[in-house]
Amino acid sequence: QTVVTQEPSLTVSPGGTVTLTCASSTGAVTSGYYPNWFQQKPGQAPRALIYSTSNKHSWTPARFSGSLLGGKAALTLSGVQPEDEAEYYCLLYYGGAQLVVFGGGTKLTVL
Amino acid sequence: QVQLVESGGGVVQPGGSLRLSCAASGFTFSSYGMHWVRQAPGKGLEWVAFIRYDGSNKYYADSVKGRFTISRDNSKNTLYLQMNSLRAEDTAVYYCAKGGWLQPPSPWGQGTMVTVSS
Repeated sequence: QTVVTQEPSLTVSPGGTVTLTCASSTGAVTSGYYPNWFQQKPGQAPRALIYSTSNKHSWTPARFSGSLLGGKAALTLSGVQPEDEAEYYCLLYYGGAQLVVFGGGTKLTVL
Repeated sequence: QVQLVESGGGVVQPGGSLRLSCAASGFTFSSYGMHWVRQAPGKGLEWVAFIRYDGSNKYYADSVKGRFTISRDNSKNTLYLQMNSLRAEDTAVYYCAKGGWLQPPSPWGQGTMVTVSS
């Protein structure tokens, strides 16, 4: 069974920088997994932030960026705002297996 | 703008069936693949199924393979999820999302709640 692992929780101060990561049980995450990142606030549907590792949607604030870091997909928030407090999910495509797997999510607290 | 509206959720007994619908508007539905994703109460997101724009390819999570069927009616701009042999662990909010294979699933609908309980 393929498992995608994220940090369960992270805390950051307003104005600070934080990096969330996304690891695959099958090995290093590469651009071929087309990593996506989503933000979900309580009571709301998820909203897409990043696709294909580092591409931003038109509505994605500039302080969000995606990358590959040490064999993992990464989402970095620079200059964190209070409204960034939310759950963040990564998604990986396993094309050969015709499978999509979400990470377990990271609860980001801005304190 | 793109709008996705799920419906068909409700309470069903274990072993029962339910069909969810996702009505799409604001884009050329027949040109895009679609996903179903679910979220159990207080839990994370779980991908359920994908269907290509023309219905020619369908992919499923192992947890629903053989029990759930994804389909679409491009003439009605509607996506479906037929759920059979339902189990308690299928209890979740079910979301539909627009997006082709390897493309970003976005946007998402607001979801419909399915509760499997006796």
